[in-house]
Amino acid sequence: DIVMTQTPLSLSVTPGQPASISCKSSQSLLHTDGKTYFYWYLQKPGQSPQLLIYEISNRFSGVPDRFSGSGSGTDFTLKISRVEAEDVGIYYCMQSIQLPWTFGLGTKVEIK
Amino acid sequence: EVQVVEFGGGLVQPGGSLRLSCATSGFTFSQYWMTWVRQVPGKGLEWVANINQDGSEKYHVDSVKGRFTISRDNAKNLLYLQMDSLRVEDTANYYCARVTPKSKFDPWGQGTLVTVSS
Repeated sequence: DIVMTQTPLSLSVTPGQPASISCKSSQSLLHTDGKTYFYWYLQKPGQSPQLLIYEISNRFSGVPDRFSGSGSGTDFTLKISRVEAEDVGIYYCMQSIQLPWTFGLGTKVEIK
Repeated sequence: EVQVVEFGGGLVQPGGSLRLSCATSGFTFSQYWMTWVRQVPGKGLEWVANINQDGSEKYHVDSVKGRFTISRDNAKNLLYLQMDSLRVEDTANYYCARVTPKSKFDPWGQGTLVTVSS
């Protein structure tokens, strides 16, 4: 199975400041079709997960442009340029290049 | 509005069975892969199973193989998860989600809680 390792596991951020979350996969997520099957999801408190970013860097519909994704192969990063109160929750990375599809353990983002 | 709503969770004894359902609306159900993901309360997410558009392809995580079966009824716009031989460690909130092109999970339902306990 592909292991997804997120760091840090928790983050406390002052509103307006940037935040960054790393995710490393145990195998390359680059498919022979040229796509990289890597995603970021956010689970806000008391809610279901929601898609933020797909294929490394594509923001999903309605996701604010303060969220950006980058990386390649096995190393990926989610950046929030200016954290807002509504960004609190647990961020999960996920891969779907190989079954079983696997998630990272999550990074809990809190506001200072 | 695209929606998925899970139901069928509850309390069941170890070794028992339960069938979860996921009602869908707002999109052409028969054109999409669907998935089940579970979450132990307070813990992370675990992919459980996928099914293709006509039900001819099904994939399950190893920990549930032989015990859980994903299926669908395209005429009723329903997704199912038949869970047999339930174990305490299957206790979790079970989410269904549509799998859009590029393997995106959207939307997710609100989840249905399955508690396996004697």
